[in-house]
This record gives sequence, C-alpha cells and structure tokens, in this order.
Amino acid sequence: GDSVTQMEGPVTLSEEAFLTINCTYTATGYPSLFWYVQYPGEGLQLLLKATKADDKGSNKGFEATYRKETTSFHLEKGSVQVSDSAVYFCAPPASGGSYIPTFGRGTSLIVHP
Amino acid sequence: GAGVSQTPSNKVTEKGKYVELRCDPISGHTALYWYRQSLGQGPEFLIYFQGTGAADDSGLPNDRFFAVRPEGSVSTLKIQRTERGDSAVYLCASSPGQGTFGTDTQYFGPGTRLTVL
Repeated sequence: GDSVTQMEGPVTLSEEAFLTINCTYTATGYPSLFWYVQYPGEGLQLLLKATKADDKGSNKGFEATYRKETTSFHLEKGSVQVSDSAVYFCAPPASGGSYIPTFGRGTSLIVHP
Repeated sequence: GAGVSQTPSNKVTEKGKYVELRCDPISGHTALYWYRQSLGQGPEFLIYFQGTGAADDSGLPNDRFFAVRPEGSVSTLKIQRTERGDSAVYLCASSPGQGTFGTDTQYFGPGTRLTVL
C-alpha cells in the first residue's frame, strides 16, 4: 500500500485565507519528514522539514508539526499569498525501515487575488 | 553557487532505442538520487548512491534500467530498449550525505523530460 497519503487537490483559496494540506504516512520508527514545493516552471525545492517527534518545521510562513502519535505532518499557513500557488509534496520515508524520502502525489494550491 | 544540473533537458527517442541521462550533483555532495515523475504524480524513487556505490536500487522498475556513478560525482542513468511507458521527467537530486542518514535535504535538478515515441 501507499506509504504516504496526501490531501488531493487542487486546493483553491483566496488571498489571506488559511491553508491546511493533510499528510499521513506509514513508516515506523522516527524518520525525518519533509515538505517540498514546486513552483510553476521551477524544480522541486525543500520547503521545510522536521527530524524528530514533536518538532515543528517552518519556512516562509508555512509550518508543519511532526506528530508521531497520529503519523501525520500536516502543512499549514495562516494567510496565503498569490505567490504561494504551487504544487506541494509531502515526503516521509517509505515503510519497511527505509530512510529514502518517498513523495506523495502532490497537492496543487491555487491562490486567487 | 552551482546547483544540480541535468542533461539533456529534453530527449525524444524511438521505442527500442537506448538512452543515457546525465546528472551533475552539487560539488561535495556524496549522496545522489534518481527519481522519475509522471504527469500528475509525485517523484518515484529509482536509485540512491552513497559515493560510488548504489546503496539502494530497489526502485529500478526492471533490468532495462541501470545507473552508474564511477567517480562518486557525475551519475548516468541508462535505459535500454526504451518503451513508451518510460516517458516521464527524470529527476536527479543530491544531498551532503554527511549528517545523520535520512535527515539530509535533497537538492533537485531541473529534470530531463524523456519522450519515447
């Protein structure tokens, strides 16, 4: 089965709206968790990461908290901007003890002015 | 500074042909990864190198796919007897490989778009 389940998109919001993109994973142990972002016409780049349970990764106003009890790493932003329009990928490792990041299908975010 | 580069940026080939895709990682990065990304999907892991050796090749779909990194820097992904289903964007990433395994940030190249006619 899938090792990462990511909220399907597209997510369409107005500027300054609150954003949540859900991500849950199946890997056991204490893997590092990542969110990557792909802006239109650009390559994948790291948005934020958390390396241990209860850590909060943050960058550019985005946050995600490593919740081991619920095996989740949901991405949030309090007030989105048009420039946040992109595809967001949750990347925990695959299950089975691997520490190679395994990417979700991506969630497209469209922010309207 | 220079990021990860991949060549060619686009490759069109015919079914049954052989192709090579090249990746130049960030200088000093010991870890290198290959992924492929189909339209509307996330990157799918193919193979991971630590130095010159393939530490994990569990993602290679079949024996038509092979990758090398002979000097621990540049890597080449080789696909034999290409099929239409191989059409995708092939991504390369590198990471420092110096910290605790699994905590490294990956730095991605722009990808090579492979089209098999």
